[in-house]
Amino acid sequence: GQQVMQIPQYQHVQEGEDFTTYCNSSTTLSNIQWYKQRPGGHPVFLIQLVKSGEVKKQKRLTFQFGEAKKNSSLHITATQTTDVGTYFCAGPGRGGADGLTFGKGTHLIIQP
Amino acid sequence: EAQVTQNPRYLITVTGKKLTVTCSQNMNHEYMSWYRQDPGLGLRQIYYSMNVEVTDKGDVPEGYKVSRKEKRNFPLILESPSPNQTSLYFCASSLAGEGRDLFFGPGTRLTVL
Repeated sequence: GQQVMQIPQYQHVQEGEDFTTYCNSSTTLSNIQWYKQRPGGHPVFLIQLVKSGEVKKQKRLTFQFGEAKKNSSLHITATQTTDVGTYFCAGPGRGGADGLTFGKGTHLIIQP
Repeated sequence: EAQVTQNPRYLITVTGKKLTVTCSQNMNHEYMSWYRQDPGLGLRQIYYSMNVEVTDKGDVPEGYKVSRKEKRNFPLILESPSPNQTSLYFCASSLAGEGRDLFFGPGTRLTVL
């Protein structure tokens, strides 16, 4: 099935610094989704990107979909302690139109 | 409240003792899926279901069974659990169609001794 690679696996930042996680696929993705999982919690949907070159913002979070629709990024400006968690990207997977294949996630650790 | 529920939330069992983890959603979603989450491996799909009586294998189906007799329920069955099935399990559901976002349950932490 389709795979999405996500880097870095871990990212330590000082509170107030920026953070970026990257997601790459060897094949063109029809769409990509991003999820956040707080420590001890479950993944929660953040956003979906569909169009080539699309950029979406949610407050301090900026999501981008590459022009070739093979990569995506999530950038957080001026991190806060509430941003702690694991961020996953997910693309269409084995389940055809209804399945998702997740990247391994980036763990964001924030030092006060 | 729209939600996906799982039971039990925590379970410690022994090798070979059959167990079932239940999953139920109240959003009338067609699609349901089970994932396991392990350190360094992320979320891996076990089984999924497009609708009632329609199920298919995900990436790591060995040692698991599922059924979808009703739209709202999608139980995960471990006929003979082994220690390598110790993991955190998530059930998720969504509407049918590509690009639909997944709603996850709270997770079930399973330990097989």
